[in-house]
Amino acid sequence: DTGVSQDPRHKITKRGQNVTFRCDPISEHNRLYWYRQTLGQGPEFLTYFQNEAQLEKSRLLSDRFSAERPKGSFSTLEIQRTEQGDSAMYLCASSPTGNSYNEQFFGPGTRLTVL
Amino acid sequence: QQQVKQSPQSLIVQKGGISIINCAYENTAFDYFPWYQQFPGKGPALLIAIRPDVSEKKEGRFTISFNKSAKQFSLHIMDSQPGDSATYFCAAARPGNQFYFGTGTSLTVIP
Repeated sequence: DTGVSQDPRHKITKRGQNVTFRCDPISEHNRLYWYRQTLGQGPEFLTYFQNEAQLEKSRLLSDRFSAERPKGSFSTLEIQRTEQGDSAMYLCASSPTGNSYNEQFFGPGTRLTVL
Repeated sequence: QQQVKQSPQSLIVQKGGISIINCAYENTAFDYFPWYQQFPGKGPALLIAIRPDVSEKKEGRFTISFNKSAKQFSLHIMDSQPGDSATYFCAAARPGNQFYFGTGTSLTVIP
């Protein structure tokens, strides 16, 4: 399967715990995006990488959230001191540089439940 | 502030009918307008997309109509099938930047 993969698919945690999600983009896709989707809503942008550089962060990304893409390949999204309001689907997408049509390919998401 | 407004929130169509979903935007810098289809438990998948230099794009049973002056675009699903039952999201983007998604339309096609 050459699509975007995310791990884990589901995560249940207790309030106050830290969680980390991983995204593996399509090979050779330079751009990687993280989105958050709550029930009944469209995905909301969190942050975006061009290779290993984090170029843009949403105001939704509080200081409890941190994302990395250390070698310009896979990316991790960490949430520290989770809160019940963090419960959502976290989606990763990738796109190739030079694609002027911006097509983003989404992974299956990681569903986070904070108890 | 919602950058892209989508309607209706839900839609029920008979098999063989036409499904129409509408979106509107404000930012004239947007130059890419995709529609994504999402099934429960899955990530969104690109269905069809349009650039503002054309007023219509058709791929199979799916057509996007684009009205640049009104800043509106719509998705038409012809001959709707039960397998089309899913949530549909419109989006808008500037080159290389984040997508702004609509709130989604839950489509149910009744056999």
